[in-house]
Amino acid sequence: DTEVTQTPKHLVMGMTNKKSLKCEQHMGHRAMYWYKQKAKKPPELMFVYSYEKLSINESVPSRFSPECPNSSLLNLHLHALQPEDSALYLCASSQPERNYGYTFGSGTRLTVV
Amino acid sequence: GENVEQHPSTLSVQEGDSAVIKCTYSDSASNYFPWYKQELGKRPQLIIDIRSNVGEKKDQRIAVTLNKTAKHFSLHITETQPEDSAVYFCAAKGYSTLTFGKGTMLLVSP
Repeated sequence: DTEVTQTPKHLVMGMTNKKSLKCEQHMGHRAMYWYKQKAKKPPELMFVYSYEKLSINESVPSRFSPECPNSSLLNLHLHALQPEDSALYLCASSQPERNYGYTFGSGTRLTVV
Repeated sequence: GENVEQHPSTLSVQEGDSAVIKCTYSDSASNYFPWYKQELGKRPQLIIDIRSNVGEKKDQRIAVTLNKTAKHFSLHITETQPEDSAVYFCAAKGYSTLTFGKGTMLLVSP
């Protein structure tokens, strides 16, 4: 299996809702990442988990809460989002060592109404 | 931290022409340089990468060159086809995470 699987593919949520994005990989990668991508912009790093521990939090608002239950799974819990949080949310995985590339999931297209 | 500059931001070519996208990076510790292609509404997909111990790498119509002294690397696409139309991102990775350039929108006209 050489893929990163993300669910759901599309999500529309109200500003008072609580929802979760899920990401799964079975490539044995020990680093997993959440990125946010706005249209025509590069992916913007949000969180990094390395060996199931949160290693980087790029000053992301607390309405985004990551979770890494095990080495294959990564969740992003969403609560009280704003319309400007609407974006494509990408999960990626890699080996934590220096010169390995990332494999991206197909993303969740999130719309906050 | 690392800073990656990418040029041009848009590039229009005729089918069959070559296309070149250039990137510079700031952190001399960076040693891995991937290129991603992202079609509209889809995920970034790795198309080619190069490590710092290599100066050039080629895969069919795509090649990447790296000049570590000058801290720049380039993507070369020959015999472009309409299906090459997409946004291309360069990136650099050293001790920390991947840092992306701002992207180049490539449009190949038939």
